[in-house]
Amino acid sequence: ELKVEQNPLFLSMQEGKNYTIYCNYSTTSDRLYWYRQDPGKSLESLFVLLSNGAVKQEGRLMASLDTKARLSTLHITAAVHDLSATYFCPDLNYGGSQGNLIFGKGTKLSVKP
Amino acid sequence: NAGVTQTPKFRILKIGQSMTLQCTQDMNHNYMYWYRQDPGMGLKLIYYSVGAGITDKGEVPNGYNVSRSTTEDFPLRLELAAPSQTSVYFCASRYDRVGQPQHFGDGTRLSIL
Repeated sequence: ELKVEQNPLFLSMQEGKNYTIYCNYSTTSDRLYWYRQDPGKSLESLFVLLSNGAVKQEGRLMASLDTKARLSTLHITAAVHDLSATYFCPDLNYGGSQGNLIFGKGTKLSVKP
Repeated sequence: NAGVTQTPKFRILKIGQSMTLQCTQDMNHNYMYWYRQDPGMGLKLIYYSVGAGITDKGEVPNGYNVSRSTTEDFPLRLELAAPSQTSVYFCASRYDRVGQPQHFGDGTRLSIL
């Protein structure tokens, strides 16, 4: 069964702290995506990781990909309230589905002052 | 640039009614997708299309139908609505180049009572 597992599912952080969200996936895909979803809103693309060892950074967020371990991480540095959202790391399913995304349950992040 | 536009944004249906969720994109993307998102969960693929006239089933297609007569439009039809179809429906599209992320619409919140 193709699946994506994120850890933790819920994360409550204080502003200024650092933390890492872990994303394990089951396919042999060499790419992975990170999306952000605010409550009641659509999904916004954050990062596209295209190869083993890829690292991308945008502001306080840094994402990395280890295809051998089938693991991606999203590191949060000095969290601020505006980062509160649900984060998804869908994997790319080649198979017969023309590259469709496989979603896990997401990580709901709450940053408190 | 409008991106992916979904209508309606909200809808309440009675059991057994039918309706069509509209999705249109102005980015000339060949790939289009319909997902549903149940509360607290990730997205699940209903149907997808790789171009006008070509559609295929995703993970949860039962109770739904799609058509793709133009590149821009990808409507989702619910026949004989059931309470289990209460969900938020997202349409997405992407450019058919390696590594391109999917772009999501704002969603349609559908309740079946």
